[in-house]
Order: sequence, then structure tokens, then C-alpha cells
Amino acid sequence: KAGVTQTPRYLIKTRGQQVTLSCSPISGHRSVSWYQQTPGQGLQFLFEYFSETQRNKGNFPGRFSGRQFSNSRSEMNVSTLELGDSALYLCASSFGWGKETQYFGPGTRLLVL
Amino acid sequence: GENVEQHPSTLSVQEGDSAVIKCTYSDSASNYFPWYKQELGKRPQLIIDIRSNVGEKKDQRIAVTLNKTAKHFSLHITETQPEDSAVYFCAASIEGTALIFGKGTTLSVSS
Repeated sequence: KAGVTQTPRYLIKTRGQQVTLSCSPISGHRSVSWYQQTPGQGLQFLFEYFSETQRNKGNFPGRFSGRQFSNSRSEMNVSTLELGDSALYLCASSFGWGKETQYFGPGTRLLVL
Repeated sequence: GENVEQHPSTLSVQEGDSAVIKCTYSDSASNYFPWYKQELGKRPQLIIDIRSNVGEKKDQRIAVTLNKTAKHFSLHITETQPEDSAVYFCAASIEGTALIFGKGTTLSVSS
């Protein structure tokens, strides 16, 4: 089975712009979670989608949003980018949700100038 | 909500020594505890996990122990090798909720 894929792998944006990141889960997986990884802060949970519904949401401002499509692919959007949004954005997929093992994608490295 | 504390933040050992990383969690309802290893420039990968109905689990040189009363769990790596050098993350979750990660431990194994 192909692993979790994310596009694009690298992005450079300027403050105030918006960005959309994409995640394709492992075939058959219906849950996608998104994390922000920054040095010293570890992996911070953004949100989780299962069957096109947001099931859990982390403590991030409303500028961060996401959605999931019927084929389980997921996108996250960040509007009005700030310098502090520079990070590695990881998505992870699992078959179900809750106690299921999560498999991570390679991440999208976002740099905001 | 759940909060996970991880210690130490950095750990240096000699090849062949053992390494122990400890995590504490705040919500006694948490019942799933995975550990992930992230090598430089790569994605996090699950190395071992434990559920609340088990006190210990081993997989070759890696073991995880869980103390539900004290609300802490630990990763033990024996006979460390240079390829064990990486960042290790613990996490905790309650069924149906998100995985909450610790801030990571950078393990360096010198030969």
C-alpha cells in the first residue's frame, strides 16, 4: 500500500497570504489528523476528520481550517499568514478514529516571510 | 483537556547503554499511549504502543511501561545503537479524541 502523501512538500509565502495544503491518506483509511510541528513545541494537534466530519479540534485560531472529501483526502487552509505560522505541517491517517494507529505523511514545510 | 509532559528533552548515551524516556499525562481517562520515532528530515513513525489494560509491552530492544495510578509511562531502549539516534515523542489519548503529544526527546547515541 502506498503511504500517506502530502503536497506540496515545500512552500514559501508572505505575511497576509493564504495557503492550502493537501493530504492523501493510505487507501482505506478514513481518518485524517493534522499537526503543526515547530522546534521545541513538538507536534501540536490542529484537527481530525473522519468521514468528512471534523471530530476533534485543537487550540488554534480560526485562521486554520480544514475539510475532508468523500475519498478521504483532506485539505487544510491557513488564511492571513503570520510569521509564526512557519512550521512543518504533518498529516496522519488511520483506519478509524480514537485508538487507531496513526501513520504520518512526510509533511509540508511552510516558510512565511 | 489532556496534557502530556515528556522528560528529558535531550539524552546522550554511549552505544550499548540503556535509555529511558518518561512521560506523564493529566487525564486519568486516557487509555492509548503510542511512542513515535522521528529521524532527522523524516516523518514520525510508530515504534511501540500500549493500551491501558496492559502494564508493559516489549518488542526486541524496546519496551514501554505504564503506571495508571501515577499517570506516567516510559520508553526503555536497551543496548542502544547509533541508529537509535532520533527524536522520540510520546502521546496519549482517550478513545475518540485526539492524540496529544509530548514535546519530544532528542536521543544521541555515540559510538
